[in-house]
Amino acid sequence: DVKVTQSSRYLVKRTGEKVFLECVQDMDHENMFWYRQDPGLGLRLIYFSYDVKMKEKGDIPEGYSVSREKKERFSLILESASTNQTSMYLCASSSLGGAGTEAFFGQGTRLTVV
Amino acid sequence: GQSLEQPSEVTAVEGAIVQINCTYQTSGFYGLSWYQQHDGGAPTFLSYNALDGLEETGRFSSFLSRSDSYGYLLLQELQMKDSASYFCAVRDRGGATNKLIFGTGTLLAVQP
Repeated sequence: DVKVTQSSRYLVKRTGEKVFLECVQDMDHENMFWYRQDPGLGLRLIYFSYDVKMKEKGDIPEGYSVSREKKERFSLILESASTNQTSMYLCASSSLGGAGTEAFFGQGTRLTVV
Repeated sequence: GQSLEQPSEVTAVEGAIVQINCTYQTSGFYGLSWYQQHDGGAPTFLSYNALDGLEETGRFSSFLSRSDSYGYLLLQELQMKDSASYFCAVRDRGGATNKLIFGTGTLLAVQP
């Protein structure tokens, strides 16, 4: 059974804290993605990675960074958390196949910044 | 840039047929996918259209018209368990990679 695991389901952090969201996949996928999900806005791509140490900005990278030191792990970092980063964060992975390649998602981390 | 627009909400009754539309604008188009997400759950893959026309998978069908930059997901014989959010998605080439972009999502409410 394929699996994408996010380290926390719920997280509460204070404004200004550095926050790490971790994602691990066990499918040997090349692509990994971080999205945030907000009501009415769908899933917005923050960053993605197509190989170890490789990353590209998505549509809303401001205030975030990422790290991919190992193929199976992709971390999202909030350098200095702000209240407008309160959201559901979803990690996904997929192989390097064609355009119809299925992406597999983790269960999400609901982050609240107070 | 790229954008995918969907209606925000659709309501239908059990046993009915419902269509969820998606219009898109992308810099490079490689086909349209659909994902389902139940409340509190992870999105899961439903279907993919690379070419124009209808693809059928059981009660669900997906349609694509590349000339109109438009697609839809058709759900037949609706069941209560179909109540969920539905997202269209495209792979849009970003550099040497495949960037996966999602639409705004449609919340489907199935009523008895």
